Amino acid sequence: NAGVTQTPKFQVLKTGQSMTLQCAQDMNHNSMYWYRQDPGMGLRLIYYSASEGTTDKGEVPNGYNVSRLNKREFSLRLESAAPSQTSVYFCASKSSSNQPQHFGDGTRLSIL
Amino acid sequence: RKEVEQDPGPFNVPEGATVAFNCTYSNSASQSFFWYRQDCRKEPKLLMSVYSSGNEDGRFTAQLNRASQYISLLIRDSKLSDSATYLCVLSNFGNEKLTFGTGTRLTIIP
Repeated sequence: NAGVTQTPKFQVLKTGQSMTLQCAQDMNHNSMYWYRQDPGMGLRLIYYSASEGTTDKGEVPNGYNVSRLNKREFSLRLESAAPSQTSVYFCASKSSSNQPQHFGDGTRLSIL
Repeated sequence: RKEVEQDPGPFNVPEGATVAFNCTYSNSASQSFFWYRQDCRKEPKLLMSVYSSGNEDGRFTAQLNRASQYISLLIRDSKLSDSATYLCVLSNFGNEKLTFGTGTRLTIIP
């Protein structure tokens, strides 16, 4: 019953450090997504991958890179963390068009 | 105009009452609609899909009005556990991205 698994759940970084957030899904879904959510705000799409081998920018891609390692895994990398990237990061996946997304339980990231 | 608009609330409703809120959308080509709930500091969870003919799941009823471009969620006999933020979500045909509203905050008062 794993669904979408994110690691780590919490992380504190110093400005300028790099970090990779991991996401894996076991539902054989084609599409995967990375969102950030700041306090009192809605979800903002960072990057997504419509299928294995493809990635596309979302609404707020600056400062991030992604890798769709295989069908199961989609990682998000911060090359040089900035305090503005302090946020909760959610990974999601879905099987096909017009289907709902399923979310992981989030990574809470603080940049000092 | 935003693609999806929701009244942010908060809606403060006594336990046992019925509450309803709407979500309007601007793209008439939108194909699929969903309601999610999000508890404080938790991930969004799918509450229900919204079908053209309207659908019900226990105390929850969702409706779609394509002519006026809105969807609605009705919660009957509200419980304390219904306190959450409710997100309106839609997708457009051929677009792998979903569009999320910013949510309506609901608090059920004992």
